[in-house]
Amino acid sequence: AQSVSQHNHHVILSEAASLELGCNYSYGGTVNLFWYVQYPGQHLQLLLKYFSGDPLVKGIKGFEAEFIKSKFSFNLRKPSVQWSDTAEYFCAVNVWTDKLIFGTGTRLQVFP
Amino acid sequence: SQTIHQWPATLVQPVGSPLSLECTVEGTSNPNLYWYRQAAGRGLQLLFYSVGIGQISSEVPQNLSASRPQDRQFILSSKKLLLSDSGFYLCAWSKTDSNNEKLFFGSGTQLSVL
Repeated sequence: AQSVSQHNHHVILSEAASLELGCNYSYGGTVNLFWYVQYPGQHLQLLLKYFSGDPLVKGIKGFEAEFIKSKFSFNLRKPSVQWSDTAEYFCAVNVWTDKLIFGTGTRLQVFP
Repeated sequence: SQTIHQWPATLVQPVGSPLSLECTVEGTSNPNLYWYRQAAGRGLQLLFYSVGIGQISSEVPQNLSASRPQDRQFILSSKKLLLSDSGFYLCAWSKTDSNNEKLFFGSGTQLSVL
């Protein structure tokens, strides 16, 4: 069965540190990939997505993610985090139907 | 431990027929409950959320409605389905008594309206 793994459950960083959140999926076919973010007190919102084309995807707020097909990975990165990036981050995979499979999420805390 | 159950997993319905998707949460009390939809490879769209029994907020005007008859039960309904209602529906819950509002997702329902 398809699954999504987010190995970092809780990440704590200082402002200006670089961020990389891991996401791996298990599915051998064509996938669409997403990163969602949930800021404290708010609902889920889409950070970025990959459907096809350039495997390096740029999203909102300076985030980017790279799809590496050979590694079944879609890691999220940001060169310099801010306190306002404190949130829960979810990776999700959409396989040949509309079904979305979510990872368990990574809680990011950024301290000033 | 907390668990979330969503059913059915797949559903094929004719246009104009009614809809009822059910979601229940176990192992917690007074959760926040959510219905999301993903359509045609797009991102998730929040449809409804509820902070308590009988309290439903609608994010997007549409052909659907939601109800919360019990603390841990959240139902998504429609009186008459449209073709555009096809998609993947996801129920989720979060705790209300902490600063960490992490979402926990159900396994989803793939709805095809024909």
